[in-house]
Amino acid sequence: DTGVSQDPRHKITKRGQNVTFRCDPISEHNRLYWYRQTLGQGPEFLTYFQNEAQLEKSRLLSDRFSAERPKGSFSTLEIQRTEQGDSAMYLCASSLQGFETQYFGPGTRLLVL
Amino acid sequence: AQSVAQPEDQVNVAEGNPLTVKCTYSVSGNPYLFWYVQYPNRGLQFLLKYITGDNLVKGSYGFEAEFNKSQTSFHLKKPSALVSDSALYFCAAVKGGNFNKFYFGSGTKLNVKP
Repeated sequence: DTGVSQDPRHKITKRGQNVTFRCDPISEHNRLYWYRQTLGQGPEFLTYFQNEAQLEKSRLLSDRFSAERPKGSFSTLEIQRTEQGDSAMYLCASSLQGFETQYFGPGTRLLVL
Repeated sequence: AQSVAQPEDQVNVAEGNPLTVKCTYSVSGNPYLFWYVQYPNRGLQFLLKYITGDNLVKGSYGFEAEFNKSQTSFHLKKPSALVSDSALYFCAAVKGGNFNKFYFGSGTKLNVKP
């Protein structure tokens, strides 16, 4: 297993378009997290899944954002009607329940023009 | 509000000299503390963590961190810096018993000059 993977690594889109990102966690990890990182800042928590259940969402996650983890394995993060303020690095992390360390993927860098 | 502070945006050190990257936290309960490193265009890489026990924690690549409960600090240290240590370092805290949400500092850019 090579760790957490994310796809795509880069995405450029026009304002108003929808985008979807995918995250594949470490295979035995049942917890999955999404974070957003803007330039000069640390990652900010967006949402968290345990298996397929979305258990926590940040108020940063507006109605335009939706995340799913349908089979408790990979997850998708969709942003509808993108805005320039959505431009950021979107990071995915996973962990095994009972172990605190989160392992991060390489991120998807989004640029909204 | 829960928060983690990294007071220095940038730390410059000469290769071979000791380095310290500072972190303080304001997280309720007995938080668990972490250090991650980020190289350009890469995700965050786990370095070390403090859960309980010995206040000096040893991690990857020769890094260590000292937990100080009275000062609510968790400073990252290395006895002898390498040029390859140059990167962005993040301190993070999670509330004890709630491992779901990491609170990250804003990051410190470490520059190690030959």
